[in-house]
Amino acid sequence: DIQMTQSPSTLSASVGDRVTITCRASQSISTSLAWYQQKPGKAPKFLINQASNIESGVPSRFSGSGSGTEFTVTISSLQPDDFATYYCQQYNNYPFTFGGGTKVEIK
Amino acid sequence: EVQLLESGGGLVQPGGSLTLSCAASGFTFGTYVMTWVRQAPGKGLEWVSSITGTGGTTYYADSVKGRFTLSRDNSKNTLYLQMNGLRVEDTALYYCAKDGTTGFYFDYWGQGTLVTVSS
Repeated sequence: DIQMTQSPSTLSASVGDRVTITCRASQSISTSLAWYQQKPGKAPKFLINQASNIESGVPSRFSGSGSGTEFTVTISSLQPDDFATYYCQQYNNYPFTFGGGTKVEIK
Repeated sequence: EVQLLESGGGLVQPGGSLTLSCAASGFTFGTYVMTWVRQAPGKGLEWVSSITGTGGTTYYADSVKGRFTLSRDNSKNTLYLQMNGLRVEDTALYYCAKDGTTGFYFDYWGQGTLVTVSS
């Protein structure tokens, strides 16, 4: 199985900060990577597919990059609505696997 | 508007069975892969099982293989997860998700149904 490792597990930041979350795959997954945002008590929300394709309606401050085994999602200017937990997911091979999550909290 | 509505969760004893349902609307159900993802209390996301649009092929996580059966009724726009031999570690919020058009990512999620396995 492909292991997905996210870092950091927790990130403390302020409104307006530029924030980057990293996701590493245990083997190459090309660009078959998605990102999700989850707020407490809510279902995950799909943000990005194919490592860098932003879903319609997702604010332009979100961007994704990477290929192979290393990926990032960046929030260019953190907004109050962005405080949440973020997960990456590889869909290159079954079983599909998620990273452990990165909680973005208020500093 | 895509909507996914899960039902069927509840409290069950270890070794027991439950069947989860997911009623879908707002898209052409039979043309999409559908998936269940679960989340144990306070934990991360875990892919459980996926089924192709025709229902002809299913995929399972090793943790549920041989105990869970995924099926769909495209005439009713409904996805089912039959869960047998439930274990304490199956306790989780179970989400139904629609796969994307260009890959096996999950672009729409239901609100989840809670399964608690406890004696």
